[in-house]
Amino acid sequence: AQKVTQAQTEISVVEKEDVTLDCVYETRDTTYYLFWYKQPPSGELVFLIRRNSFDEQNEISGRYSWNFQKSTSSFNFTITASQVVDSAVYFCALRVTGNQFYFGTGTSLTVIP
Amino acid sequence: EAQVTQNPRYLITVTGKKLTVTCSQNMNHEYMSWYRQDPGLGLRQIYYSMNVEVTDKGDVPEGYKVSRKEKRNFPLILESPSPNQTSLYFCASIVSWGRGYEQYFGPGTRLTVT
Repeated sequence: AQKVTQAQTEISVVEKEDVTLDCVYETRDTTYYLFWYKQPPSGELVFLIRRNSFDEQNEISGRYSWNFQKSTSSFNFTITASQVVDSAVYFCALRVTGNQFYFGTGTSLTVIP
Repeated sequence: EAQVTQNPRYLITVTGKKLTVTCSQNMNHEYMSWYRQDPGLGLRQIYYSMNVEVTDKGDVPEGYKVSRKEKRNFPLILESPSPNQTSLYFCASIVSWGRGYEQYFGPGTRLTVT
């Protein structure tokens, strides 16, 4: 069975703090893709990153970084020096064979000024 | 501009009255998909299509129909809507290349069934 778990339902941090959003996935497929999306209060879904199962290299993009560990089936997302504009719901997603997608339930991040 | 469009953006209807939510993409993508988003449940895939005339069920297909008669359009049909189909619906268009993969989402359709 395929599954994505985002155990953190809501997180609040004070501006400039670092915050890590957790994502744990389950799949028996050996080839799969992992994603993070951001959904700001305006409601649209914004793509942040994609990682395939063959590439465990971590990635940094500005204040954002992602840590992919196949050994623990995790794909965690860290925001460094958070800003109010980072306030949003963040979704982790898994794509397996045949274009089936599985999303986590989302983590609502509030950054307090 | 590459985009996925959905219409209508907001819809209030009554139980049992058939409705269609349209989805169109201008990127010539082969793959398209429909999701519903509900509080506490995240996004769940309803149907997806890997090409014209090819559709497959996602996790929550009950009560929905789709069709893919041409590459750019992928309408979602609710033959007899019920209140439990009140939700926020997203259409997506997907492109893949080598080891790359990208999913573009439409702006969403908020449906209320009374």
